Order: sequence, then structure tokens, then C-alpha cells
Amino acid sequence: EIVLTQSPGTLSLSPGERATLSCRASQSVSTSYLAWYQQRPGQAPRLLIYAVSNRAAGIPDRFSGSGSGTDFTLTISRLEPEDFAVYYCQQFSNFRFTFGPGTKVDIK
Amino acid sequence: EVRLVESGGGLVKPGGSLRLSCAASGFTFSSFSMNWVRQAPGKGLEWVSSISSSSTYIYYPDSVRGRFTVSRDNAENALYLQMDSLRAEDTAVYYCTRFGDRSAFDSWGQGTLVTVSS
Repeated sequence: EIVLTQSPGTLSLSPGERATLSCRASQSVSTSYLAWYQQRPGQAPRLLIYAVSNRAAGIPDRFSGSGSGTDFTLTISRLEPEDFAVYYCQQFSNFRFTFGPGTKVDIK
Repeated sequence: EVRLVESGGGLVKPGGSLRLSCAASGFTFSSFSMNWVRQAPGKGLEWVSSISSSSTYIYYPDSVRGRFTVSRDNAENALYLQMDSLRAEDTAVYYCTRFGDRSAFDSWGQGTLVTVSS
């Protein structure tokens, strides 16, 4: 089973700042199946990025994804108040989905 | 608009059973694989089951295999999760999700809370 590790666990930033979130896999991940989700407090998760770098419908262009192999990054170019949330990476391989433990982006 | 509405959660004793349902609308349900994902209180996301569009392929993680059974009724646009031999560690909000054509979970329900406690 591929294990995903996310860092940092918590990122404390101010609105307008840039956020860089890391997701590392224990084995190489298919780029077709690496996604990022956002979960705001009290809400269901929502899809942000699919296939490493493609924004889902309605996602603003301040969100971008990159990476390959075992190292992936979600970047939020300028944090808006609604971006303070928890972010999860996810992969699919060998008929199993796994999620990373999440990175919480909170207000400094 | 894609809509997924879960129901069936509640309080159950350890060793008991519960059946969750997910009503889907706004898309051609029979064309998509569907999944259940859960989230224990204050914890992260855990994938629980997957079922292909015609129920041909079904997958579970080790944590629930042999205890949980996923099924679907394409005529009724419904997804189900039969949960048996429930344990305290199964306590979580259970989300119904669609595996979209972008190879990710592109739609989520609002979740239903399952509490396993004596």
C-alpha cells in the first residue's frame, strides 16, 4: 500500500501570503491519480486538483499543483480568507485509494 | 447539478449492524463508479469502499473487508453500505462520493454520522 505523508502538519500564514503544501508518497504514484482536496470546517471535502496539476471546475487559478514520482506540491499563490482549511492529497493504485493525513492552513 | 444525499447513520452498539444509503441525482448514476469515504471525529479521510458502474468491480481496504458490503441499485440511483460487526473505531462521518471522469472524487455528499458505542 502506498503511504502518503503531508508536510507541514500546520501552516500558519496571513491573508495574501503564499502557501506551499507538500505530499510525499512511499512509492511512485501514477500522475493520473494524484489529487488534492480542501475541507473547510463543518463541510464535506471538495476536489481542488486532479491528475497532479489540473484544477477542478470552479477552482480559482490561485491554486496550482505540481510534481511527479513521489513528490507533489499544492501551491496557493495568495491566500484568501476562505482558503484557511485542511488540505488532503490522495492517490489510487493497486485498486486502493489512500489519503494523506492533511495539512491545516490557519490564520497567523 | 450533481447531488448526493446520505442517510441511515445513527447510534449502534459494538457488534451491531447498520445500512447506509446514498441517493444520487443530477447525473447518469449508472455511468460512474462510486465510493464511500469516512472521517473519524477530528481525524483525516479514510477510503472505505469502491464499486464500479455495473457492480462488476468492488474493492475495500483491509480495515473493513469482510465486515462491510457495498452495493448499488442503478434503477433507483442509489448506493448502499451494509456495515456489520461494527467496532468503536468505525465511528465516523461517512461520505458518499462519485469517482468522476477526471479520475478523482469530484462530488461528495454532506455525510452521515455513525456512532458505535455501548
